[in-house]
Parts: sequence; structure tokens; C-alpha cells
Amino acid sequence: DTAVSQTPKYLVTQMGNDKSIKCEQNLGHDTMYWYKQDSKKFLKIMFSYNNKELIINETVPNRFSPKSPDKAHLNLHINSLELGDSAVYFCASSYPTSGANVLTFGAGSRLTVL
Amino acid sequence: GEDVEQSLFLSVREGDSSVINCTYTDSSSTYLYWYKQEPGAGLQLLTYIFSNMDMKQDQRLTVLLNKKDKHLSLRIADTQTGDSAIYFCAENPFMTTDSWGKLQFGAGTQVVVTP
Repeated sequence: DTAVSQTPKYLVTQMGNDKSIKCEQNLGHDTMYWYKQDSKKFLKIMFSYNNKELIINETVPNRFSPKSPDKAHLNLHINSLELGDSAVYFCASSYPTSGANVLTFGAGSRLTVL
Repeated sequence: GEDVEQSLFLSVREGDSSVINCTYTDSSSTYLYWYKQEPGAGLQLLTYIFSNMDMKQDQRLTVLLNKKDKHLSLRIADTQTGDSAIYFCAENPFMTTDSWGKLQFGAGTQVVVTP
């Protein structure tokens, strides 16, 4: 049973296209996240949702639009793809807590923009 | 990762101990984490430490925290080839309710274990 699953695992597309990445968690967590890992392995948070409500929205271009239809799903739609969007996108989930926030990550979706 | 720094590479012989170091800048971080990333996989939590602790041991893993120097280390005893991976240090410096889970990661340390 995969705890946090993302699809697709690999995505190759042309500049200017629109694409989506889907994420689902079966852990019963209330909070879900999108993190971006660039070619140098640097990880940075993009968004977080708590029970379908947007909580964190970092300085991400408007071309990126997250959608959470329910608390078990968080999708990422990207419009007008650019070369710099090439990266690995990780979905994660956790219980929101003032204690240790243990994030469970998906396996990642590698996006390559040509 | 500009606030969390790690060395980029560590080579270690099988059976030896590995020590991965990390420095962070935000003294408000109450929890600090170590994650492991194997090739083509997501990040897997190895361990975390609460900021009022100096040390935490979990089987082959030992975490040391020097809060005064904002220095965190991860020691892996009896390193195995399966320990080859990238290890990320992370802090959660923003402890308001809308920043839980907003981890600041280091750039990761690539650990290569040689036979």
C-alpha cells in the first residue's frame, strides 16, 4: 500500500504546454504539500493545503495552480511550461502539529521541459 | 537551502562510521530532521531531534545537536552499501500554525559507501 502516490512519475513535454501532476495519500493526514527539487537537489516548498484550504503559498509563479478536491488529494497544474520548470516535484503529507512535523513524501514526478 | 548548510559529498568504507554535518541559522527551530533520499525515490524520514535534546540514538543512527553553535550531525555506525544515498538536514523554523511542515532543507550530502 503506497502511502503517498504521485502520477505521472516521468513527464516530458514541450515549452508552452500545460500539464498536471496528481497526488493522493491514504494516511488520513490533514495537510498536503508540494515541494520542488531542482537539478542541484535543492528542495523548496511551493504550497501546502490543510483540509482543502490553502495555507502556504510561496513565491511561485501564477502559472502554478494547486487544487485540492478533498483532503486526500492535492494536484498541481502548470500552465505555459518553461525550461526552468524542469525539476522533480514531490508531494508530501502530514498531520499539522506544533510538535515534530513528520512529512511523508511521495516518490516524486520528474518533469522535463524541452 | 541558504539557511541550512551541509557538505556536499562524503565517501566512506563499508563498516566504518559516517558523520554528516549540518549547520542551521534559525535558533527558533524546535525540531531538526534527517531525511534520506535513494536514487529515483522520495525522501524518507530517518530521525528527528527536539531542540532541548543534545543527543538521540536510534539503532545505528546517532544525532548530536549543539544548539549554541547551531550544529547538527548524523552518525551512521557500521555503514553499509545500502546506506549510499543523499542525506538531507532540515529545520522547521516557522512555528506558527500556517507554517507547520514548511521545512527548510539543506542541499543534501551525497554519501558513497565503498566496499
